[in-house]
Amino acid sequence: EVQLVQSGAEVKKPGESLKISCKGSGYSFSSYWIGWVRQMPGKGLEWMGIIYPGDSDTRYSPSFQGQVTISADKSISTAYLQWSSLKASDTALYYCARRDGRYYDYWGQGTLVTVSS
Amino acid sequence: QSALTQPASVSGSPGQSITISCTGTSSDVGGYNSVSWYQQLPGKAPKLMIYDVSKRPSGVSNRFSGSKSGNTASLTISGLQAEDEADYYCCSYAGSSTFEVFGGGTKLTVL
Repeated sequence: EVQLVQSGAEVKKPGESLKISCKGSGYSFSSYWIGWVRQMPGKGLEWMGIIYPGDSDTRYSPSFQGQVTISADKSISTAYLQWSSLKASDTALYYCARRDGRYYDYWGQGTLVTVSS
Repeated sequence: QSALTQPASVSGSPGQSITISCTGTSSDVGGYNSVSWYQQLPGKAPKLMIYDVSKRPSGVSNRFSGSKSGNTASLTISGLQAEDEADYYCCSYAGSSTFEVFGGGTKLTVL
């Protein structure tokens, strides 16, 4: 069974760093792109970026380029999304999802990130 | 990359059919047969309902169908049921630089 399990909710202060994770199981993790999607409170889905764990090829939405870093460790079937300096506007629910072809067939349960002083 | 345009809300009565539109440009919706649709129930992760414009994943009801004409894709739900009440998002491939773009989402209310 394909599963994507994300790390737990985080509460951080502005300026702090953060790295959240997405662990895949039940399939060849290296062979599928993993995308990250943001959902701000009460808002829609926003495509942030994507990584191919097999060779770490990474692409970003222009809206998120330079704001976050996406990485992966294929040896432990885990993808990451990280911030070096969080802002209050980073408060959101973040999803990882497996890309098959040009669509996302399996999604993680989401990681809620709250940034507040 | 601008978000795809969806109506903010649609509604219908049980048993009726509704259609949700998703308008993009020739650089995304119109340029590729790579539109997908996702259903998001309250408090849940999105679920794939349609991919490659009109294909249904295994397990998705055949009451859900997709189509595309030019720069506009559509999701049709026939025989509306109360359980269909959710937010629906379209998504399109937009090229090898930024891959995908989502629509703003449509809230479906079953009256």
